[in-house]
Amino acid sequence: GQQVMQIPQYQHVQEGEDFTTYCNSSTTLSNIQWYKQRPGGHPVFLIQLVKSGEVKKQKRLTFQFGEAKKNSSLHITATQTTDVGTYFCAGPNAGKSTFGDGTTLTVKP
Amino acid sequence: NAGVTQTPKFQVLKTGQSMTLQCAQDMNHEYMSWYRQDPGMGLRLIHYSVGAGITDQGEVPNGYNVSRSTTEDFPLRLLSAAPSQTSVYFCASSYGGQGVSYEQYFGPGTRLTVT
Repeated sequence: GQQVMQIPQYQHVQEGEDFTTYCNSSTTLSNIQWYKQRPGGHPVFLIQLVKSGEVKKQKRLTFQFGEAKKNSSLHITATQTTDVGTYFCAGPNAGKSTFGDGTTLTVKP
Repeated sequence: NAGVTQTPKFQVLKTGQSMTLQCAQDMNHEYMSWYRQDPGMGLRLIHYSVGAGITDQGEVPNGYNVSRSTTEDFPLRLLSAAPSQTSVYFCASSYGGQGVSYEQYFGPGTRLTVT
């Protein structure tokens, strides 16, 4: 079955540093979704990428979908303490989604 | 709209007991799913449904049953609880459509401990 892998598992940064998490799928994805889960909370949808090579921005967050539609990345510029949490990528497929294990970001003020 | 609601928020079971985790959504979503999340890990799909009367197994279905008699409700039954089922359980829902994926809305979760 489809496998989705994320690296790194953990990332500790100083406030103001940049952060990137990478997502790789064992199969070609029709689209990819990103979610954020704050400590003790539930996952919250951030964005969906559909097109090969697509790049989308949300303020300090930049999302990319690879040309082969098998990998994706999330980059945060100048992290803030509000960015702490776990970031998941997911490959949805007709109601059946496969999630990566997530990257947990901690930010030191 | 209440979104996706889950009850109970916390539950402690003894090994061998059974229980039902409740999930309801008021957004008229076709798709609903159950995930479990173990400490430091991602979300693993237990069962999912693409509409009332239709359910299918996910990645880790053993020990769990589901049914979908209405669009709104998608309960998860633990048949005979085991310590390995200690986890946080999330229910999620989304619109559905052929060839189109939509964002999933997650409930607040149920924290289950099996002793």
